[in-house]
Amino acid sequence: GDSVTQMEGPVTLSEEAFLTINCTYTATGYPSLFWYVQYPGEGLQLLLKATKADDKGSNKGFEATYRKETTSFHLEKGSVQVSDSAVYFCALSGSEKLVFGKGTKLTVNP
Amino acid sequence: GAVVSQHPSWVICKSGTSVKIECRSLDFQATTMFWYRQFPKQSLMLMATSNEGSKATYEQGVEKDKFLINHASLTLSTLTVTSAHPEDSSFYICSASRQAVETQYFGPGTRLLVL
Repeated sequence: GDSVTQMEGPVTLSEEAFLTINCTYTATGYPSLFWYVQYPGEGLQLLLKATKADDKGSNKGFEATYRKETTSFHLEKGSVQVSDSAVYFCALSGSEKLVFGKGTKLTVNP
Repeated sequence: GAVVSQHPSWVICKSGTSVKIECRSLDFQATTMFWYRQFPKQSLMLMATSNEGSKATYEQGVEKDKFLINHASLTLSTLTVTSAHPEDSSFYICSASRQAVETQYFGPGTRLLVL
């Protein structure tokens, strides 16, 4: 079945550092891909998405490119802020449901 | 817009009792609501999908008699954990969708601890 694998956390960075969180997927067909973010005490929020190969999703300085050849959707940000501290989930849509990765906790220190 | 609330945010109960969790879409009508369960350091696992006025569709391995889902209106779905046991302790998250499964709005979750 469909599955998502993302890098294990936690990830700890200093402010203004470069962030990469790896995500790869296995799916039949051509799923849409998503990154969700969960801030402490809040529900998951959609951060960005891409619906087809080579699409780049971007929001709040975060980017991810749908790579069909490598079945990947890595999340990147050039300069993280303390306010980016959260748990990040990679997900795909398939068979009428969302399939999530395990989540990666990011802590950004000042 | 697109705010989803859950109540309670956390609950402790004794083994053998039943617990009801509410999920509400506050500013939109949700044709479909989803219930997830999240274990520590694990991904969200879909438990069931419910459409307003219809019986819920449960994922394989989820006991429908254990986890009762009611979606009586376009803004409210409830999950009742019946005869709860310690192994039911978990973080339960709901989401709501206006139409496409891809556009889900998530509640903040309910932490259940069964003693």
